[in-house]
Amino acid sequence: DGGITQSPKYLFRKEGQNVTLSCEQNLNHDAMYWYRQDPGQGLRLIYYSQIVNDFQKGDIAEGYSVSREKKESFPLTVTSAQKNPTAFYLCASSMNFATDTQYFGPGTRLTVL
Amino acid sequence: DAKTTQPPSMDCAEGRAANLPCNHSTISGNEYVYWYRQIHSQGPQYIIHGLKNNETNEMASLIITEDRKSSTLILPHATLRDTAVYYCIVRVSTGGGNKLTFGTGTQLKVEL
Repeated sequence: DGGITQSPKYLFRKEGQNVTLSCEQNLNHDAMYWYRQDPGQGLRLIYYSQIVNDFQKGDIAEGYSVSREKKESFPLTVTSAQKNPTAFYLCASSMNFATDTQYFGPGTRLTVL
Repeated sequence: DAKTTQPPSMDCAEGRAANLPCNHSTISGNEYVYWYRQIHSQGPQYIIHGLKNNETNEMASLIITEDRKSSTLILPHATLRDTAVYYCIVRVSTGGGNKLTFGTGTQLKVEL
């Protein structure tokens, strides 16, 4: 099946620990994105990558880091510097960055205890 | 950035058409209108998008007014599975980029 996978679906971490969220796509898309969603709110862009080995900060990048070493993978690390990490994290991809429709993965719900 | 305004909630009877409005009065000429929906605790699902002309696919129809200041998403025969939050988004071009700005959307509740 073609699509975007995120794992795990639920993740629990202790305060002060870094945690990495996985995002994989087999759609051969160049561009990938990470969004954060808080309860009752819309999505906010954390980081995006137009192409492999490239990425840029979105609107709320502080406390997060990413890498894009492979076209199909765009992991997001939530660092201990992120003040309010508990949220629903969504990964998306699109054929290209300039014009194409974004498709979303199922999301990872992170809870920091 | 062009912003959108949507009603926070709507109800629809199963089997009837659901018409979801969206205002985007500051939209630029080269900006598309996109619609996504999100069922609780799932990732957003792409529905449809358009620029000027009305569009239809297997999921829905999109009607854009001639002045492009508003649009309506139509689900022709709503079912219980269509209960979700529906987001109307204007795709922002930032240096040729593809940033989607999600608001809080419309919670559509389809009832028997």
